[in-house]
Amino acid sequence: AQTVTQSQPEMSVQEAETVTLSCTYDTSESNYYLFWYKQPPSRQMILVIRQEAYKQQNATENRFSVNFQKAAKSFSLKISDSQLGDTAMYFCAFMNPSRDSSYKLIFGSGTRLLVRP
Amino acid sequence: NAGVTQTPKFQVLKTGQSMTLQCAQDMNHNSMYWYRQDPGMGLRLIYYSASEGTTDKGEVPNGYNVSRLNKREFSLRLESAAPSQTSVYFCASSEDRETYKNIQYFGAGTRLSVL
Repeated sequence: AQTVTQSQPEMSVQEAETVTLSCTYDTSESNYYLFWYKQPPSRQMILVIRQEAYKQQNATENRFSVNFQKAAKSFSLKISDSQLGDTAMYFCAFMNPSRDSSYKLIFGSGTRLLVRP
Repeated sequence: NAGVTQTPKFQVLKTGQSMTLQCAQDMNHNSMYWYRQDPGMGLRLIYYSASEGTTDKGEVPNGYNVSRLNKREFSLRLESAAPSQTSVYFCASSEDRETYKNIQYFGAGTRLSVL
C-alpha cells in the first residue's frame, strides 16, 4: 500500500525567509503524481504545486518549488520569500494512476506552517 | 467562478439521525470525490465517481452512501449517523482522472458533529 509521511508536524519561519517542508512516500509504482496542497484557516484546500514522476525537472510555481528525489522517494516543498499569507497547513499527497486505482489522493498528516512577522 | 460548492458548511446531528451532504461543481468535470478529514490526519477517500452514472468505494466507505445525480452533483448520505462520523467532509472534482487532467479541486468543506 502506498503511504505518505510528513515528519514535521509544525514549522515556523520569519517573513521573507525560506523554509522547506519534507515529505516521503512509499510505492512500488514507477508512474505516479505528487502534489502539495495548502489549507489555510478557511479550510479550503488549494493546490500549490504538482510533479509528475516521469519528469526529471523539478516543478516550480512562483515562490514555490519542489525537490523531487525519485530514488529516495522524497518530495520536499521549498517556499522562498515567505509571506504572512503562507501561514497554513500543508499536505503532501500521492496519486497512482494505475488501471485499477481509484485515482485517489493519498495524503500525509500535514505540516502546520507559521510565518512570523 | 464558484468551482466546487458544498452545503451545508456546518451541521450538528444526534446519533441515529440521517442527513445528506450536497456537492456541486460548475467546471464540467467528469470525476468527483468525497473525502473526510479527521484531526491530525490527512484526507481519506470515502467514495468517488469516475463519471456520471458510476460510483465506487474508496478507503473508508462504511456508513455512507453516495449518489451521482448528474454530471454536476454528487451527494453523500449518512443513513444513521454515529459519533465516529464527526469529521470535516470535503468534496472534490477533476476534469478527468488521467494525466494532466487529474488535478482535484476542492470545496470549502462541511464540518459535521454527531452527538
